[in-house]
Amino acid sequence: EVQLVESGGYLVQPGGSLRLSCAASGFTFSNHPMHWVRQAPGKGLESVSAISGNGGSTYYASSVMGRFTISRDNSRNKLFLQMGSLRADDMAVYYCVREEPNGSYDYWGRGTLVSVSS
Amino acid sequence: DVVMTQSPLSLTVTLGQPASISCRSSQELVFSDGNIYLNWFHQRPGQAPRRLIYKVSNRDSGVPDRFSGSGSGTDFTLKISRVEAEDVGIYYCMQGTHWTWTFGQGTKVEIK
Repeated sequence: EVQLVESGGYLVQPGGSLRLSCAASGFTFSNHPMHWVRQAPGKGLESVSAISGNGGSTYYASSVMGRFTISRDNSRNKLFLQMGSLRADDMAVYYCVREEPNGSYDYWGRGTLVSVSS
Repeated sequence: DVVMTQSPLSLTVTLGQPASISCRSSQELVFSDGNIYLNWFHQRPGQAPRRLIYKVSNRDSGVPDRFSGSGSGTDFTLKISRVEAEDVGIYYCMQGTHWTWTFGQGTKVEIK
């Protein structure tokens, strides 16, 4: 059974940093591009970042470019999102999502809440 | 970024009646491999989204056949042939052709 479990969400002050993790199981992790998708409270869905299966290619939404870094450790089946210079509009539930097939998301984690407030 | 525009944003349907949601993209969604990466998701309160449809019209395993997707070019539609109580929630279209992948605003479906 495919499982994606996010962790690392916390209350952080504006300008602060946070590292999210996603533990994957139930599939060959390195075979799949992985994504982070976020949802602000009461709002819609926003693709944040993506990484290829071997980690060689990364992609970012313009709203997080230069502040967030996506990475993965295929030996430990883990996905990461390093978040910096956090702003109030980064506050959201962050979902770890598997890409399958191309151009689509099939499995989602339950999400981890990032709160940004002084 | 490609803008995905859904309509209506809210839909109240009688049980057993059909429902239809439209999704329009600001650009053509044909990828270089010839595929159209247009997806539909359903989200219930407090839950992660669940995919219903991928590549315009392919229904996911376990999705009831009362759900169907269609469309081409920049116009796409999700249809529910007979709405059931479990279908309440928010429906999102999403394009996976052009990065940054983008979602529609969501359509909230309620039962009358």
